Amino acid sequence: QVQIVQSAAEVKKPGASVRLSCKASGFPFTYYTMHWVRQAPGQGLEAVGWVYPASGRTELTPKFQGRVAITRDTPAGMTYLELTRLTTEDTAVYYCARRGQTESGYSSGWLDSWGQGTLVSVSS
Amino acid sequence: QFLLTQPPSVSGAPGQRVTVSCSGGSSNIGAPSDVHWYGQFRGSAPQLLIYENDNRPSGVPDRFSASKSGSSASLTITGLQSEDEGDYYCQSFDRDLGFWIFGGGTRLTVL
Repeated sequence: QVQIVQSAAEVKKPGASVRLSCKASGFPFTYYTMHWVRQAPGQGLEAVGWVYPASGRTELTPKFQGRVAITRDTPAGMTYLELTRLTTEDTAVYYCARRGQTESGYSSGWLDSWGQGTLVSVSS
Repeated sequence: QFLLTQPPSVSGAPGQRVTVSCSGGSSNIGAPSDVHWYGQFRGSAPQLLIYENDNRPSGVPDRFSASKSGSSASLTITGLQSEDEGDYYCQSFDRDLGFWIFGGGTRLTVL
């Protein structure tokens, strides 16, 4: 069955960087786009970006461009999110999720399987 | 603040029907772009409830349904149960932003 397992919580100081990992299994990882979504404490969901493992192509929500990188290790079924120049506003749970698709490979962006989330706390 | 507007909260008694609205604009829902719905229960990760406006994934009870019209969409839950209590989010693609966006979320309270 589809499984998405994320790395453990992180505590960082402002200005630092953090790298989160996400291990996917139970499906052909290469051909499913993987998204990152974050949720600040008591707040709603915010899209961060995505990676298509087969090509390595990534896209980021405009507010994260220049500060965030998403990479993948296709043979290992892993995707990574790196955030740099952290501020207290980056404190959030970061979710890794698989973009669903039809049998023909079409998708309009729904996220059908989610990891358990990784809490990133940024504090001085 | 959010391009997709949801009411902050809704409530209903067990067995009743509740509706959560999601209002967008011409650059997203009205573009038209598909709408997807997620539920988040007891602090866990979000889970997909509805995809492509009105499709229910396997395993989601048929008490959950959704529709879309123009620049708005709605999620309806019938036969409300205590375990339905949680937060509900709509999602769509915004063509001006060039990315997917979420609504601000609606907290459902089962009275």
